[in-house]
Amino acid sequence: DIVMTQSPLSLPVTPGEPASISCGSSQSLLQSNGYNNLHWYVQKPGQSPHLLIYLGSNRASGVPDRFSGSGSGTDFTLKISRVEAEDVGVYYCMQVLQSPITFGQGTRLEIK
Amino acid sequence: EVQLVESGGDLVQPGGSLRLSCVGSGFTFSSHWMAWFRQAPGKGLEWVANMNPDASHKSYLDSVKGRFTISRDNAKNSLYLQMNSLRAEDTAIYYCARGNLHCFDFWGQGALITVSS
Repeated sequence: DIVMTQSPLSLPVTPGEPASISCGSSQSLLQSNGYNNLHWYVQKPGQSPHLLIYLGSNRASGVPDRFSGSGSGTDFTLKISRVEAEDVGVYYCMQVLQSPITFGQGTRLEIK
Repeated sequence: EVQLVESGGDLVQPGGSLRLSCVGSGFTFSSHWMAWFRQAPGKGLEWVANMNPDASHKSYLDSVKGRFTISRDNAKNSLYLQMNSLRAEDTAIYYCARGNLHCFDFWGQGALITVSS
């Protein structure tokens, strides 16, 4: 199984400040077509997960441009350029390259 | 508007059975991979099973193989999860999700399964 490891697990951020979450995979997620099969989700309190970034760096429809994804192979980063109060929630990375589909442990973003 | 609505969540005794349903609308259901995920209380996300559009390919988490069966009825825009021999560790919110963009881009609101005596 591909093991996904996120850090930090808890992320207190002051509104307006940037935030960064790392996600590492135990195997490369780079496909032969050049895309990385790594995706980012946020689960806001009391809600179901919501797709933020797909294939490593593509923002999903309706996602603000202050969210960005980068990385390749085994190391990936989700960045929020300026955190807003509505960004509170748990952020997960997920790989769909290989079955079983696996997630990182989740990073809880909270507002200071 | 894409919608996925799960139903069938309930309290069930260990060893019991339950079937979850998920109805999709606002998109061409028959063209998409579909999946079930779950989230135990206070825990992270876990993939359970998925299947391709024509139901010719199905995959399962090892811990549910032989106990859970994923199926679909494209004529009814519906996805199902038949769960047998339920265990306490199967207690979770179960989400259905639509496959798209090489991932699962839209999730339902979830259905709670509690396995307890």
